[in-house]
Order: sequence, then C-alpha cells, then structure tokens
Amino acid sequence: GAVVSQHPSRVICKSGTSVKIECRSLDFQATTMFWYRQFPKQSLMLMATSNEGSKATYEQGVEKDKFLINHASLTLSTLTVTSAHPEDSSFYICSARLDLSLSTDTQYFGPGTRLTVL
Amino acid sequence: EDKVVQSPLSLVVHEGDTVTLNCSYEVTNFRSLLWYKQEKKAPTFLFMLTSSGIEKKSGRLSSILDKKELFSILNITATQTGDSAVYLCAVATGANSKLTFGKGITLSVRP
Repeated sequence: GAVVSQHPSRVICKSGTSVKIECRSLDFQATTMFWYRQFPKQSLMLMATSNEGSKATYEQGVEKDKFLINHASLTLSTLTVTSAHPEDSSFYICSARLDLSLSTDTQYFGPGTRLTVL
Repeated sequence: EDKVVQSPLSLVVHEGDTVTLNCSYEVTNFRSLLWYKQEKKAPTFLFMLTSSGIEKKSGRLSSILDKKELFSILNITATQTGDSAVYLCAVATGANSKLTFGKGITLSVRP
C-alpha cells in the first residue's frame, strides 16, 4: 500500500518551454501533497505544499508564477515549470501524506522526475 | 529557521558491522521525526518516531528518539551490501506536517 507514482520519470526540454509533472497516489487519498527539489548530492528541499481544492503554499524563495501547482483531486497533483531555463534542471520529487489519524506525518514519495533544460 | 543535522556525512563499513547514524534537530512546533532510505530514486519510509525513549524496530534496523536532547539515532546491525544508500532524517512540524530534511548520511557497505 501507499504507492505514489510520478510521470514522466525523465524529461528533456528546450529553454523557454513549459513542462508538466504529474503526481498520483495510487491506492490512497491524499488531501495534502508536497513538491520537493533535489540537486546532486544535496538533500530534499521543500518547494510547496499542495492542498486539494485550495491554493498551494510556497516556501520562501520559490516563485509561484514559475512553479504552478494544481491539486484538483484527492489523488492527483501537478507541477508545471513555466518558461523553463537551464537552472531549473533538477530532480523533482512529490510526496503524499496518508490522511489517517495515527500516521498523519508520514509522507510517501514518488519515484521522481529528472528535468533537463537545454 | 528549522534545522536538522545528520552525522557523519558518510560512512564506509564492512559487511557484518553495526552502524549508528545520528540526527539532531532544532525546530519549532515539533510533531515527529522520520527516517528514510534513498537508493537511486525516491526515499522509502523506514520509521516515524513521536515519543521519547520508545525504540522502533524493523528487522536489523532500529531507531529511538530523545525529545529532551533533541536527537535520534538509527542503528543497523549485521550490515549487508544492500544497506548501502543515503539515509535521510526529517522532522515534521506545524499543522501541515511539513518535513525539514537533513543532508543525509551516505552509507557504503563493502563485501
């Protein structure tokens, strides 16, 4: 149980284009999903918290107009990197939190999306 | 600013050794501490700790939390090459259970 999928796993795009990444909880409902970014040899940095049916909460320094988040259902959140530039190249990972009273803090992670912007 | 510090940053051991990985934290609105294992892709969940002094065990792995001294340890006994990975410690805070991660500990287990 508690499986999270991400699509695509890998994407290469040209500078200036937009890229959409999907995150799905496959066997549970997730009111809250999270988007992280991970640079090589670094830890995960939280970008934003995505709540179903409401606006995402962005961490300090993350541009909300550049990283658009939509959480339209209890099993799907999307991250769109708009007008991508080479410095946006990174590993993007989403997570979903089980909405159970005993384990509300546990986040289950998707396999990640490697974005390369040329 | 919430801070999570892991040590050592990397470790090389031989199969069969026992290792102890450390995690200390300074955060506001602490909820729980979590350990994850990251091999190539996404982190996989190991433990969630909320109470001091209660050890959690899963096979050769165990972990304990000290909320007074603000740290946790993850022990791995009889290490195997398959234990080679980055071990991440994260602390959940606030109403949304936001996770703040440490930099991770890279464990290499040699045959």
